[in-house]
Amino acid sequence: DVKVTQSSRYLVKRTGEKVFLECVQDMDHENMFWYRQDPGLGLRLIYFSYDVKMKEKGDIPEGYSVSREKKERFSLILESASTNQTSMYLCASSGTRGADTQYFGPGTRLTVL
Amino acid sequence: GENVEQHPSTLSVQEGDSAVIKCTYSDSASNYFPWYKQELGKRPQLIIDIRSNVGEKKDQRIAVTLNKTAKHFSLHITETQPEDSAVYFCAASIGTGNQFYFGTGTSLTVIP
Repeated sequence: DVKVTQSSRYLVKRTGEKVFLECVQDMDHENMFWYRQDPGLGLRLIYFSYDVKMKEKGDIPEGYSVSREKKERFSLILESASTNQTSMYLCASSGTRGADTQYFGPGTRLTVL
Repeated sequence: GENVEQHPSTLSVQEGDSAVIKCTYSDSASNYFPWYKQELGKRPQLIIDIRSNVGEKKDQRIAVTLNKTAKHFSLHITETQPEDSAVYFCAASIGTGNQFYFGTGTSLTVIP
């Protein structure tokens, strides 16, 4: 059974703070993804990674960066949080570079004050 | 890139009736189409998927149909139950890189 975990369920930060969101998967998946979910906008891809130390921009990478130093761990970084980054952040992983199911973590509800 | 549109955004049905959610995609190279269900406060979970070499797939009360020529695919839920109430997302993947393009979601309410 695939398990994807995220470091926090709820997080409150102040404008300008550096924020780290961490995702860990236990299935030796190559691919990992960060999405943000906002009402009426669905799931929008921020960044993804095919392998350790590799990263690709998604549709909305501005204001975010990522780090993948180990295969099982994918971190999303907000260098200087802003109020418009208040959102639900979902991490996902999948097993191959071809079309394959993505498995989601429980999400982190981030509020930036 | 790929663009996925999903309709309707909200759907209410009486318990026992059928529900249909439709998605269209723009890139004919897309070859994998999953559907996710997200209950309130929970993570999206895969409920059914279809690949481009298949026209229809069924799993108990859930079915998905794919029309490659028209570039649309649909989720069909029969004999709906209150526990089917959730937000449903469709997605399309070109396969290369496994990037998913999601629709904006359909909030389904099943009225007992």
